[in-house]
Amino acid sequence: NAGVMQNPRHLVRRRGQEARLRCSPMKGHSHVYWYRQLPEEGLKFMVYLQKENIIDESGMPKERFSAEFPKEGPSILRIQQVVRGDSAAYFCASSPMTRILNYGYTFGSGTRLTVV
Amino acid sequence: QQQVKQSPQSLIVQKGGISIINCAYENTAFDYFPWYQQFPGKGPALLIAIRPDVSEKKEGRFTISFNKSAKQFSLHIMDSQPGDSATYFCAAFKRNDMRFGAGTRLTVKP
Repeated sequence: NAGVMQNPRHLVRRRGQEARLRCSPMKGHSHVYWYRQLPEEGLKFMVYLQKENIIDESGMPKERFSAEFPKEGPSILRIQQVVRGDSAAYFCASSPMTRILNYGYTFGSGTRLTVV
Repeated sequence: QQQVKQSPQSLIVQKGGISIINCAYENTAFDYFPWYQQFPGKGPALLIAIRPDVSEKKEGRFTISFNKSAKQFSLHIMDSQPGDSATYFCAAFKRNDMRFGAGTRLTVKP
C-alpha cells in the first residue's frame, strides 16, 4: 500500500515560469490537503480538496496559485509566473473520510521548489 | 493568525535526557492534538496524538500531557537518543482543519 506520492521531488523554475506539483493520495483516501513550508518555518495550510471539489482554499494566495483534484488522476497544485518568494517545500497530505476515529494525516515527501 | 503556538524554537539535549516541547492553542473547537516528527528531506510523520478528554497519553518513550483548562499540551521524550534528532510539530485539528505550530528543532547530543 503505497503512501502519499508527490512528484517531482525537486523542481527548479526560472522567474515567470509555471510550476506544477502533483500529489497522489493514499489508496482509499478521498481528502487532499496542500501545505507550504518555508525554510525554518512551520507548515502553512493552503488548500483542502475532495474529488472535483475545493472545500477550503483560505490559505491560498489570491493570485497565481490554483489547485485541483480531478475525478481521475492526481491532485495538482499550480503556480503561475513564479517568483523567488515561492521557493519552498510543498507538502501534500491525505486522509480518509471525515468523522473517523483517526484524524491523522499522511504526508508525502514533498516537492522542493526553487525559483532562480 | 497563529492558532497554535509552539516553543522552544530549538532544543539541545544530552543523550539520555528528557526533551520537552510545549504548545498552546486558542480555539476550543479543536478536538484532536497530534504531534508530527520530520527528518530532513522527508515529510512529517505522525508520532503520537491525544484527544482532549484525556490528560496524558504514553507510547514508549513519548508522552503527551494535555491541560484542557489552560489550552496547553506538551510532548515529553524520555531517554532522548541521537536518532530522535528531528523537527517536531504540534498540531490542532477540527473538522478537516489541521493547524500546525512553527516547529521545534531537536538535537540530541551523544
